[in-house]
Amino acid sequence: GAGVSQSPSNKVTEKGKDVELRCDPISGHTALYWYRQSLGQGLEFLIYFQGNSAPDKSGLPSDRFSAERTGGSVSTLTIQRTQQEDSAVYLCASSPGPNTEAFFGQGTRLTVV
Amino acid sequence: KQEVTQIPAALSVPEGENLVLNCSFTDSAIYNLQWFRQDPGKGLTSLLLIQSSQREQTSGRLNASLDKSSGRSTLYIAASQPGDSATYLCAVAGGTSYGKLTFGQGTILTVHP
Repeated sequence: GAGVSQSPSNKVTEKGKDVELRCDPISGHTALYWYRQSLGQGLEFLIYFQGNSAPDKSGLPSDRFSAERTGGSVSTLTIQRTQQEDSAVYLCASSPGPNTEAFFGQGTRLTVV
Repeated sequence: KQEVTQIPAALSVPEGENLVLNCSFTDSAIYNLQWFRQDPGKGLTSLLLIQSSQREQTSGRLNASLDKSSGRSTLYIAASQPGDSATYLCAVAGGTSYGKLTFGQGTILTVHP
């Protein structure tokens, strides 16, 4: 595809359920990022993948959050036992390499009820 | 830890005015600075990327400058239009936050006819 694709675009889940959010980066981009944007808040860094290096997980808010990137392409962000404070827009971005221009997807709006 | 601040938080101008948005960062050891636009309910659109070795970049009515030593960047929008209304975000890459982008809180711009 031409850009970063995220699915689903919207997700409503019950408190305590697990959710998986998917990101398809731009083909050939080695760097992939996940950010979270809560209502009225700035972008909060979650995790960064670069090539085959160990990911930078320093932004994950708790051990309920995890992410994988398979084959250096598609990434999945998993939130276990969701809480209401997890409600936010989750944004994925990719770039050709580290410290290069980043391109964002449209985001997944997660609502935990 | 890199911190990014954007001033003003909100700006309302009449159509046709030229305007300046400000971004400052605390760690000058950056690789680049990127300006984004975010429309309500949407993802981020990259506007301009300035490498650390550059002083400015231009795209159409947009001009971004970078003074790395003083930790400042400005985004100049000429002849503003109602379609320019959006949230503008700046983000820096590098320094102590290698790879990942650190964002400011954004400036909400409203251009009224």
